[in-house]
Amino acid sequence: DVKVTQSSRYLVKRTGEKVFLECVQDMDHENMFWYRQDPGLGLRLIYFSYDVKMKEKGDIPEGYSVSREKKERFSLILESASTNQTSMYLCASSFPRRDDQPQHFGDGTRLSIL
Amino acid sequence: DAKTTQPNSMESNEEEPVHLPCNHSTISGTDYIHWYRQLPSQGPEYVIHGLTSNVNNRMASLAIAEDRKSSTLILHRATLRDAAVYYCSFMDSNYQLIWGAGTKLIIKP
Repeated sequence: DVKVTQSSRYLVKRTGEKVFLECVQDMDHENMFWYRQDPGLGLRLIYFSYDVKMKEKGDIPEGYSVSREKKERFSLILESASTNQTSMYLCASSFPRRDDQPQHFGDGTRLSIL
Repeated sequence: DAKTTQPNSMESNEEEPVHLPCNHSTISGTDYIHWYRQLPSQGPEYVIHGLTSNVNNRMASLAIAEDRKSSTLILHRATLRDAAVYYCSFMDSNYQLIWGAGTKLIIKP
């Protein structure tokens, strides 16, 4: 079974802090994704990556950056956390450029910015 | 804007079939339709996907309208463990999933 592991289930940080959310997958997937999930808004794509050192902006990239130094690891960075970034963050991975391949998700990190 | 629309919530009795509808009127002819579900405190879980023909797997069935502008996820015999939020989505030409807001399925014992 595909395993996508997010480093923390719950995280509490302060406004202005630099926050790192880590995601690791064990299926050698080229594609990796970061979403945020808010009540009533569903899943919104922040950034995605099709390969190592490659990144593409999703629908809501403002205030975020990403890093993909190794194929199995995709990090989401909040450069200066703000309260409106309090949310559930979900990481996913999939095989490359095939629209018949499902995305596999981690269990999420619930981030609170105080 | 490309999107999917689903009812906010649905209720069903345990051990009865459940039909979860989704409209995706902006879908193109080559976009696959994907369904996921999300149990409480977990990430979304893949359920099923299809292009044109109806599809079956161990979890559910997917019925796709002939014009592909809508689809229905069918749980043949719902159990309490099927209570979740069900998301209809499709993959656009950039291989990004376009998600709906989801349907919260409530199963009554």
